[in-house]
Amino acid sequence: QVQLQQWGAGLLKPSETLSLTCAVYGGSFNGYYWSWIRQSPDKGLEWIGEINHSASANYNPSLKSRVTISVGTSKNQFSLKLNSVTAADTAVYYCARVAWYRWFDSWGQGTLVTVSS
Amino acid sequence: DIQMTQSPSSLSASVGDRVTITCRASQSINSYLNWYQQKPGKAPKLLIYSASSLQSGVPSRFSGSGSETDFTLTISSLQPEDFATYYCQQSYTTPWTFGHGTKVEIK
Repeated sequence: QVQLQQWGAGLLKPSETLSLTCAVYGGSFNGYYWSWIRQSPDKGLEWIGEINHSASANYNPSLKSRVTISVGTSKNQFSLKLNSVTAADTAVYYCARVAWYRWFDSWGQGTLVTVSS
Repeated sequence: DIQMTQSPSSLSASVGDRVTITCRASQSINSYLNWYQQKPGKAPKLLIYSASSLQSGVPSRFSGSGSETDFTLTISSLQPEDFATYYCQQSYTTPWTFGHGTKVEIK
């Protein structure tokens, strides 16, 4: 059974870059898309973007100018970078596996990222 | 973007009750509609995909129906572990979008 484990800095100052990594265990990395999703009280669940093993990525247009999702140099990992963060980027960030017709069938444990001066 | 509107935003129910949650899409999404359950401090969990297909391991008291713009999640007999927040998500076109959730509370 696939498991996703994520990590990254939880406290950032405005204008800094958010950086998170997600590792995939117990399942195939190839053949799927892998997503980042965030959740805040204001905006609810918000899809950030996705990438496959060939590094083909899709992004939410609302964040596209600030987001980069990449496949990690280590096997079975993918990463999120969001630059120029503001308080509005404070949220719990999740990584997730994207199955078949774009539902999310496995999730990481979530990382609370707080942006505060 | 496709807007997903859930109703009600919250409801109170008792163990054993039949519970129905509605999700409406701002345009037709065929059957590209998925349902998740989220408990406090946990990641969402997939319950239903493609409007009516039950995810492996999910109890059969959960069911989904609908197509085009109107969808329903039904819990046939509410159990104590079902008190949670439920979200719909469209997978018809990017950006994939979610409803704002329906919180199911104990009456």
